[in-house]
Amino acid sequence: GESVGLHLPTLSVQEGDNSIINCAYSNSASDYFIWYKQESGKGPQFIIDIRSNMDKRQGQRVTVLLNKTVKHLSLQIAATQPGDSAVYFCAEGSWGKLQFGAGTQVVVTP
Amino acid sequence: DAGVIQSPRHEVTEMGQEVTLRCKPISGHDYLFWYRQTMMRGLELLIYFNNNVPIDDSGMPEDRFSAKMPNASFSTLKIQPSEPRDSAVYFCASSLSLNNEQFFGPGTRLTVL
Repeated sequence: GESVGLHLPTLSVQEGDNSIINCAYSNSASDYFIWYKQESGKGPQFIIDIRSNMDKRQGQRVTVLLNKTVKHLSLQIAATQPGDSAVYFCAEGSWGKLQFGAGTQVVVTP
Repeated sequence: DAGVIQSPRHEVTEMGQEVTLRCKPISGHDYLFWYRQTMMRGLELLIYFNNNVPIDDSGMPEDRFSAKMPNASFSTLKIQPSEPRDSAVYFCASSLSLNNEQFFGPGTRLTVL
C-alpha cells in the first residue's frame, strides 16, 4: 500500500509461481495508473498501464486489475522468473502528474 | 533511440557547492520530468516541462533548486548551494504526452558531503 518510510514491503515468490503485488491509491480523481519495475542501480521501467475507464488489462505475463470502488490496484505476474526480482512501484496519475507509491520488493527464490 | 540520457551518473560534492545535473530526453517527446528518489520519501516529482516551458514546479523543495529547458533536447537541474540532505538519486523522464508512459533515464546519484 501507500506508505513512506525506510522499510519496503517484501514479497518472496518461488520461481514458476504467480505473483500478486497490491497497491492502494489515494486520489479518487486519478484517471491513469501505471506499474513500474526498478532494478538495482537503474531507472524505473514501464510494465503496464490502465485507464480509469477499465478494470483489467493484460500484457505479456502481466495483468493489472483496477478496483475504483476501494481504490485498489494490483499487478499479477504469471510464472515468475528470476529476472522479475526488483522493486515494483504503482503510480496514479491525474493531469499528467504521477504520484508513486513506496514500492514493493519482489524476491524470486529458486 | 538511446533513450533518456542523464549525466553525470554519479556526483560527489561538498556542502555549499553548486551542482548541475543534465538530461537529454527522447527525441520527439514533448514532456520532460525531473524526479528525486530517496529511501525516506520514495520517488517525488520535482518539476515538469511541456514544449520546453515549465508547467508545474510545485515539487521543487526550495529556492536552492532550479530547472531549465533551453531547447527540446536538453534540460538542467541545478542546486545552489547544495546541502547533505540533497543527497539522492535524481531521475529525468520524458513522454510523448500527458497520461502516457514516461521513459526514465538511468539517474544521477548525488552525494553531498
